[in-house]
Amino acid sequence: GDSVTQMEGPVTLSEEAFLTINCTYTATGYPSLFWYVQYPGEGLQLLLKATKADDKGSNKGFEATYRKETTSFHLEKGSVQVSDSAVYFCALRDFGNEKLTFGTGTRLTIIP
Amino acid sequence: DGGITQSPKYLFRKEGQNVTLSCEQNLNHDAMYWYRQDPGQGLRLIYYSQIVNDFQKGDIAEGYSVSREKKESFPLTVTSAQKNPTAFYLCASSIFLAGVDEQYFGPGTRLTVT
Repeated sequence: GDSVTQMEGPVTLSEEAFLTINCTYTATGYPSLFWYVQYPGEGLQLLLKATKADDKGSNKGFEATYRKETTSFHLEKGSVQVSDSAVYFCALRDFGNEKLTFGTGTRLTIIP
Repeated sequence: DGGITQSPKYLFRKEGQNVTLSCEQNLNHDAMYWYRQDPGQGLRLIYYSQIVNDFQKGDIAEGYSVSREKKESFPLTVTSAQKNPTAFYLCASSIFLAGVDEQYFGPGTRLTVT
């Protein structure tokens, strides 16, 4: 079955540091890949997505590239801000499947 | 503004009582979903519905029930049969296509059962 494995947290970085949160997946078909962000006490918001191999999703300075050869979709940001503190979820959705499969989430804390 | 509304934000119940969580969307989406979130476990799918008057069980449907009488509404009932109901519950919706569409999430309801 489908599964998503993402970097264990929590992750603590200083402001302006470079961020990488690793995400790898297993899927039977041709999945689309997503990163969602959850701020404290709130629901999830879509951060970025990629629908096919070598696509790069980007939003708010965050980027992730769909790597089929390594089955990965790592999230990166060049310079993090305190406002980026949140929980980040990697997810996949196989083609023709209504279900989203989520990773366990990575809590990110940015200190000034 | 289009979006998903969940109410209430916090809900407290005594053990043995059924409780219904509300989810309403005005995005004109066909599909709606209920997830449960527990610390360190990510999100797990409880039920989903692709069209009115039809719904399917997700990965952890035991102890829950749903209805889909209107396109914009998908209430979730947590029954007394649910062994560990205290959790954060998230409702989501999406346009139903066989391709790829992201799901949009509501703000969540935190249920505490004592």
